[in-house]
Amino acid sequence: NAGVTQTPKFRVLKTGQSMTLLCAQDMNHEYMYWYRQDPGMGLRLIHYSVGEGTTAKGEVPDGYNVSRLKKQNFLLGLESAAPSQTSVYFCASSYATRTGTEAFFGQGTRLTVV
Amino acid sequence: GENVEQHPSTLSVQEGDSAVIKCTYSDSASNYFPWYKQELGKRPQLIIDIRSNVGEKKDQRIAVTLNKTAKHFSLHITETQPEDSAVYFCAARNNAGNMLTFGGGTRLMVKP
Repeated sequence: NAGVTQTPKFRVLKTGQSMTLLCAQDMNHEYMYWYRQDPGMGLRLIHYSVGEGTTAKGEVPDGYNVSRLKKQNFLLGLESAAPSQTSVYFCASSYATRTGTEAFFGQGTRLTVV
Repeated sequence: GENVEQHPSTLSVQEGDSAVIKCTYSDSASNYFPWYKQELGKRPQLIIDIRSNVGEKKDQRIAVTLNKTAKHFSLHITETQPEDSAVYFCAARNNAGNMLTFGGGTRLMVKP
C-alpha cells in the first residue's frame, strides 16, 4: 500500500499564478483533510471532506478551494497565489468513526510563492 | 470551534531524563486526543492516542494522561534517547468526528 501520496513534492509559483495539489489515498478512508504547516504555528486545517462529493471549511480556508470528486482523491486549489501562502501543505486521511482513529499523512508539499 | 494550546514550544532535556508536554483544549465535547511525532523533513506520524473514556494510556516509554474536567492532556516520555528528538503535536477531535485540531507543536531536543 502506498498510503497517502501528495503531488507535487515541491513547487515555486509567482504571485497570481494558480495551481492544484493532488492528494491520493488507497486505504478507502472516508475523511480527508488539507493542512498547512508554518513555523511555530503547528498544523492548521484548511478544508476537509467527510466523503465523496462533500467538502467543508476548516480554520484557514480563505484563498483555497477543494474538490472531492472521487473517494480516493482530494484536490487543493490556489486560484491566485500570494506570498502568504508559502508553506508546507499536508494532506491526511482517516476512517470515519465516532470514537476517533488515526489520521495518516502524506509526505507534504513545499510551496514557495515569490 | 475547538482551540488547542500546547506548552512548551521548545524543550531541551539530557538523555535519560523525562520529558513532559502539556495541552489544553476548549471543546468539552471533544473525545479523541492523539499525539504525533514529526522528524525533520518528514510527515507527522501517530505515536499514541487516548479516548475520552480513559484517563491514562502507556506504550513502553510513552504515556498520555487525560483530565476531562480540566480539559487537559499530557504526553510523558521517560528515559529519553537522542532519537526522541523531533517536533511533537497534540490534537483534539470534535464530537462530530470530522475535524482534528492541532496544537502549535513542541520541539524536543534530547542531548546525548
